[in-house]
Amino acid sequence: EIVMTQSPATLSVSPGETATLSCRASQSITNNLAWYQQKTGQAPRLLIYGASTRATGIPTRFSGSGSGSEFTLTISSLQSDDFAVYYCQQYNRWPPYSFGQGTKLEIK
Amino acid sequence: EVQLVQSGVEMKKPGESLKISCQTSGYRFASYWIGWVRQMPGKGLEWMAMIFPGDSDTRYSPSFRGQVTISADKSLNTAYLQWNSLKASDTAMYYCAKVQEGYSDPFDFWGQGTLVIVSS
Repeated sequence: EIVMTQSPATLSVSPGETATLSCRASQSITNNLAWYQQKTGQAPRLLIYGASTRATGIPTRFSGSGSGSEFTLTISSLQSDDFAVYYCQQYNRWPPYSFGQGTKLEIK
Repeated sequence: EVQLVQSGVEMKKPGESLKISCQTSGYRFASYWIGWVRQMPGKGLEWMAMIFPGDSDTRYSPSFRGQVTISADKSLNTAYLQWNSLKASDTAMYYCAKVQEGYSDPFDFWGQGTLVIVSS
């Protein structure tokens, strides 16, 4: 099973600033990496797939990068609506298509 | 518009059986994998299983194989997740989600979740 490790567990950033979230895979997953946003009480929402492609309707302030085993989600010009938990997921090898443990992005 | 609508909150006792549902619309149900994800209280997301409704091909996480059964009814555009004997540790929110394209793709649309509470 591929293990996904996200860091940090919690990230405190001020509105208007940039947040950088990391995700590492225990082995290469090429670019088969997705990022999801989950707000309290809501289902997750797909943000990024293919490591760097924004899903439909996702603002350009969300960007993904990386390949192999190291990935980054960058959120620029943070808005109040962006404070949530973010998960990465690999879909390179199953089962399972494992998720990271999540990074909570909170207001500083 | 793609929609996944899940069945409502379930309160069960240990040892009871349960089948929850995920009714879909807005896309060709038989042509896309659909999966289930568990989220225990205050915890992260866990990939459980997926099914291809067109031929009922299934894939289970080793952690959930034998613990749950995934199924689908093409005539109803509905996927299911069932337990034969619930445990307190099955208490969680369960999400169904549609796979974007082929089996090696992320989940692009999600249901609203079904809360399952197992308590004596």
